[in-house]
Order: sequence, then C-alpha cells, then structure tokens
Amino acid sequence: ETGVTQTPRHLVMGMTNKKSLKCEQHLGHNAMYWYKQSAKKPLELMFVYSLEERVENNSVPSRFSPECPNSSHLFLHLHTLQPEDSALYLCASSQGDRAFSTNEKLFFGSGTQLSVL
Amino acid sequence: RKEVEQDPGPFNVPEGATVAFNCTYSNSASQSFFWYRQDCRKEPKLLMSVYSSGNEDGRFTAQLNRASQYISLLIRDSKLSDSATYLCVVNRGYNKLIFGAGTRLAVHP
Repeated sequence: ETGVTQTPRHLVMGMTNKKSLKCEQHLGHNAMYWYKQSAKKPLELMFVYSLEERVENNSVPSRFSPECPNSSHLFLHLHTLQPEDSALYLCASSQGDRAFSTNEKLFFGSGTQLSVL
Repeated sequence: RKEVEQDPGPFNVPEGATVAFNCTYSNSASQSFFWYRQDCRKEPKLLMSVYSSGNEDGRFTAQLNRASQYISLLIRDSKLSDSATYLCVVNRGYNKLIFGAGTRLAVHP
C-alpha cells in the first residue's frame, strides 16, 4: 500500500456520460497530481495541485475538470469524453510545498482503468 | 523530439546478468532525476534518485551526466523479480515531473 487510494479501479462510460474519479492520500503530502497513461506512451502529466492551488494545467481538454477540495483529496470530473481518452488515469502525491522542492518523490495510487465507448 | 527518451527494449537477459539502461533528456534546466519501476498493470514506484556523483543501492547503480544530458541505470546480478518496465523521470522544477516511455526488462531462468 502506498497510502494513495483511487476509486473506482475500473470505469466504462459512454461519450455522453458524466463521471468522476476520486483520489485520497493518507501521507500528509501537500501536492497531488493526475497523470494519464495510454498504451505504449509515456505517462502524461495532466494537472498538479500544490497546497490546494492548481499550479499546472498541461494543455488538457476542458472535458477533464480537476477539483482539489483539500490537500488529501483530488477529483477528476469527466464529461463528453472521446474514445481516445480511454487510458489508465493515475493519481500521485508528493511532499510538495510552495518552495517547489526539486527532489519531489511521487507516490502513486493503483489507477483507474477508463474505457470510453 | 520527446523531452525524455528511452530505448523501449525489451532487454531479455538471463538471471545473473548485468544490464544497463540509458535515458536522455532535452531540457538542460532539468533539476533532479529519478528511476521508477512499473510492473505490468501496476502503478509506478520509485526505485532510486539519481545524483550527480552517482549513487548505488544494492545491485542498482545510477549515474548522471549533466553535460551530455543522460542518465543511466545499471543492474547487477539480475533476478527474475527485476522483470519490469524501468521509467526515467526528470523534474523540470515547479512540481513538473516528466516521464520517459520506459524500458522493458525481462529476466529469464
């Protein structure tokens, strides 16, 4: 167990559905991340929150909407997705603080395997 | 050009072999470096940080060459349990950790 929990583990949705991915960390970390991992491609950084403030939005389409209500919880709201959005969505956390340490070590959740039909 | 490039492999080696992976990065302002390991259908896990002076953790040795912008990982005395994908990770600063696509290692008996 890494201390980062993601739900659901698997999700199948239609293109007109609205769903949310949830991530919770029990490590007392200040930074949380969403990454996307597609087959045979590197992990793509989507969003970064540090102390509940979004510090990175890596040109992600607006059909993905993150929410960070507190430093322990992170959501990814999904609506009108496309089949090419099918991928493994990984949440991670790190110590993180406003000093933006360069030695951040990520702790990942198990991911949500998303299929868009 | 990808910001972090790795040979995808696979590297197929027998138990006990020594194997080395390289990684290059394009952003000279990159500030810190790591190797992560990802098993099939699992999340990535930190293997080790990479320091300028080189560092060792048991059978694993990591090296960084800032001038040439490459990072290496050496695994000695390979075990079956070392079979995984090894991800090179670069911290660009401001919590932006960029991953390579990974190098797949298969250790056989």
